[in-house]
Amino acid sequence: GAVVSQHPSWVICKSGTSVKIECRSLDFQATTMFWYRQFPKQSLMLMATSNEGSKATYEQGVEKDKFLINHASLTLSTLTVTSAHPEDSSFYICSAGPATNEKLFFGSGTQLSVL
Amino acid sequence: LAKTTQPISMDSYEGQEVNITCSHNNIATNDYITWYQQFPSQGPRFIIQGYKTKVTNEVASLFIPADRKSSTLSLPRVSLSDTAVYYCLVGDSSASKIIFGSGTRLSIRP
Repeated sequence: GAVVSQHPSWVICKSGTSVKIECRSLDFQATTMFWYRQFPKQSLMLMATSNEGSKATYEQGVEKDKFLINHASLTLSTLTVTSAHPEDSSFYICSAGPATNEKLFFGSGTQLSVL
Repeated sequence: LAKTTQPISMDSYEGQEVNITCSHNNIATNDYITWYQQFPSQGPRFIIQGYKTKVTNEVASLFIPADRKSSTLSLPRVSLSDTAVYYCLVGDSSASKIIFGSGTRLSIRP
């Protein structure tokens, strides 16, 4: 089945630094990828929709200058958390699906801890 | 975007059949119903998908009534490893925006 690879699995950084998370579709092309964040004991919250070759679409309340999304190819989307602060600590998950398929496949997630 | 409603939590015992029902009153004609399972610190994992009637695979069954305004995920003979959060989602394609509901936290006891 389709696989979505997400790296890194976890990252610890100092406050004020930037962190990049990669999301790759390994065996299919994804014109659209989705980025979610999840706090402990809560559901996934959609942050943005990543569109290949164009600007990402952000959900209300998500700062686009804070969470930079780049979808430069049909198999790779990146989320950069800029000037990270402790409140950005969360579990970040990406997802994508083949265009002809109604299923979404999810990455394994990235646990970000900002000190 | 169809909104889904599920019970917040459910408890059961090993070996029992567990049925989790999801309401999606505003489901659109082109929407599919998909269930995902999530373990702590992992991304959601696809369980089953259906459009109408009944779908069965090696891990679960999905029952969808004719009006499609609800669906029931059935897990036969659960084990401790089935303890997880289960999400019911509706959408028309993998490119459409999917909003997660609260999910159902299933706890299986020995």
